[in-house]
Order: sequence, then C-alpha cells, then structure tokens
Amino acid sequence: SQTIHQWPATLVQPVGSPLSLECTVEGTSNPNLYWYRQAAGRGLQLLFYSVGIGQISSEVPQNLSASRPQDRQFILSSKKLLLSDSGFYLCAWSVTGSNYGYTFGSGTRLTVV
Amino acid sequence: GQSLEQPSEVTAVEGAIVQINCTYQTSGFYGLSWYQQHDGGAPTFLSYNALDGLEETGRFSSFLSRSDSYGYLLLQELQMKDSASYFCAVRGTGGFKTIFGAGTRLFVKA
Repeated sequence: SQTIHQWPATLVQPVGSPLSLECTVEGTSNPNLYWYRQAAGRGLQLLFYSVGIGQISSEVPQNLSASRPQDRQFILSSKKLLLSDSGFYLCAWSVTGSNYGYTFGSGTRLTVV
Repeated sequence: GQSLEQPSEVTAVEGAIVQINCTYQTSGFYGLSWYQQHDGGAPTFLSYNALDGLEETGRFSSFLSRSDSYGYLLLQELQMKDSASYFCAVRGTGGFKTIFGAGTRLFVKA
C-alpha cells in the first residue's frame, strides 16, 4: 500500500533562519507531488507541484523553493524565513488520471518567531 | 483566474441531513473533489465528480453540474464525528493541480 511521510510535525524557527521540510512517498512510482500551505482557519494554498524528477512548477512567488531530487522525495526550502511563512505545510501525492484525489501527509506546523 | 465559493459555517443536529454547496470559476475543469479535515489533522479525500450527476459513498454523496459550475456534498445521518471542515476543490488546467476552496466548518449538535 502507498504511504506518505512528512516531517517534522512541528517546527519553531526564528525569522531569517533557513527551512527544509521533507516529504517521501512509498509504494508508488512517478507520483505527482504537491506542497500546500494552510493558514489558521483558512483553505489550502498551492505552493508547488511536480510531475517528475527535477520538474517543479511554482504557483505563488515567495521566498520558498521546492526540489525533487528523487522520484518519491519532495523538499520545501527557504533560505531566510519570514513571519508570514508561518502556517501548516502539507505535502500530497496523486497519480495522473486517477479519480482518487490527493493523499496528504500529516503536515508540519511551522511557527516563525 | 480560478475561485471557489462555499459557505463558511453550517450547523446541524445529529441524525439530520446537511448539504454543503460549492460554486467555482476556473480556466479549465477536470473534476470537483471534496475533502474532510478535522482540527489539527490533514485533509482526507471524500469524493470526486468528473461528470454531471450524483456519486454516492456510504453516508456521503456528491453532486456536480458542469453547466452551472456548481456542486454539493450531502451528508446523511449526521454523527458527532462529522464535525469538521469540508473543502471543495477543482482540478484545473492540465489536470495536475487542484485548487481548494476556503472550507466550510460543519458543527454537529447533539
């Protein structure tokens, strides 16, 4: 069966510090991978998506970046965090053409202080 | 651009039926999905409609009218555990990315 792992679960980082969040998927090949951010009590904002190794599409200009060094690994990074980067970060995967929607990881709650 | 509208809150009593509506505007459309999210948790997939009509999965049903750019989620025999946020989401141009609505907070009362 397919599983998605995301870590860490919570993170408190000072303004200006770097960020690296990692997401890995098991049990499937060539998944579509996504990073979403959710502000408290709000909807999900699509940040990045990837349809293959090294292929990254950015949806929102910001100080975040994403990379996909391996087929089932998706990394979200920042060189210098801002207060506005606080939120709930969710990684998700899907299969092209599938009607089964997205499977989300358990999320990382990031607080920038 | 793309946008989705759904009510911010709905309250219903245990055992009742509730309908959560969603209207959307997108540059491309491949399907309408619904997700459930409990406080502090990640969204979980409930249903997907690519074609007009009603899809039923247990107590939950989802409807789509592409000509009206409208869909709804119907929850029957409400239980306390159904208290959560429900998001409609549209798979848009290219079919690779999904845009989510702001969510509807459902409160189920005893």
